[in-house]
Order: sequence, then C-alpha cells, then structure tokens
Amino acid sequence: DIQMTQTTSSLSASLGDRVTISCSASQGISNYLNWYQQKPDGTVKLLIYYTSSLHSGVPSRFSGSGSGTDYSLTISNLEPEDIATYYCQQYSKLPYTFGGGTKLEIK
Amino acid sequence: QVQLKESGPGLVAPSQSLSITCTISGFSLTSYGVHWVRQPPGKGLEWLVVIWSDGSTTYNSALKSRLSISKDNSKSQVFLKMNSLQTDDTAMYYCARHLNAMDYWGQGTSVTVSS
Repeated sequence: DIQMTQTTSSLSASLGDRVTISCSASQGISNYLNWYQQKPDGTVKLLIYYTSSLHSGVPSRFSGSGSGTDYSLTISNLEPEDIATYYCQQYSKLPYTFGGGTKLEIK
Repeated sequence: QVQLKESGPGLVAPSQSLSITCTISGFSLTSYGVHWVRQPPGKGLEWLVVIWSDGSTTYNSALKSRLSISKDNSKSQVFLKMNSLQTDDTAMYYCARHLNAMDYWGQGTSVTVSS
C-alpha cells in the first residue's frame, strides 16, 4: 500500500497567516492527490482534487501544489472557520490511502 | 442539493455483523459511485470500499473478506455489511459520493463494538 505521511500532526497559526500543510507519499502518485477538511464536529469536506483543482464552493484562499511524492496545501489569510484537521489522500493505487492528518489551531 | 445520510445500529456485539445504510438525495446512484470510509476514535481515515455507478465494486483488500457492499438505485440507498466485528472496528462510518474525489460526505454513523 502507498503510505501517506503528514509529518506535522498539529500546527498553530495566527489569523491572517499563510499556512502550508505538507504530505508525502511513499512512492510517486502522479498528482493523484486530494485534500479534505474535517471540522471538530466530524464534518468532512473536499477542498482540492488532483493536486491543485479547487472543489466547487471552496474559498480561493485554499490552494494545492506538488508533484511526484511531495504535495502541499496552502491556506492564505487564515480565518477562524479554518480550524480543522486536514487530510491528504492518494488515489494513484488501490487501496486509496489517507495521511494521518494535520490539526490546525489558532494561536 | 447533494446529501448523504448514514444510519446504523450504534452498538454491535463482538463477533456479530454490522449493517449500515447510506441514503442519498440530490443525485442518482446510476450516475455516481459511493465510497465507505471509517474513522476510529481519535484516529485518521481509512477507505473501505466503493460501489461504482454500474454496480461494480472495489474493496480494500485488507478487509475484503469481511465486507460486502450493495445498492438499491430505486431507493437511493447503498448498503455496507461487515462480518465478524471486533473492538477495533469501533469507528465512525462515513459514506461519500465519488466525482473526481470523495466530493460530498455524510455526517457519519457511530458504531461501537462492545458486549
């Protein structure tokens, strides 16, 4: 199975900051990488698909980039509603696998 | 609008089976696939299985022997059955629609395995 690693399990930032969350795959995944947001109440939403495509209705302050084995999610101008845990997920090979998550908190 | 809602028994005894249902609205199962994903308490997400719009299925091989997925297009429902439950199957179980990714998720149904 492809292992997805989010080395930063928790991150503290201030409102208005630019935040980058990283995700690394155990092998190349050809940009088949999605990002999800899970709010404290458990609600899960898709943010980014295929590395950098913004899902409908997602604010433009969210963006994704990367290639090969290394990918990142960037939140520009952090807002209070961005408090959540963020997961990357690969769909290059079965089984689809998720990173362990990065919990974002407000400083 | 697109909605998915999971329903299940809440509590299952060890070694028993689990049946949970995902009821969808705002789209058709004949046009979209539906995934099941679970999350143990305090842990990350684990993909279980997907049923595609044509009825074909793809399982997580680690759990394939214990899982079964099916659907009723006319009732807009997807069914997940898991056999031989153990305490480490305690989790929130989510269903999610497939379009490019898991683009819309239900709120989840909590399953506790305990005697």
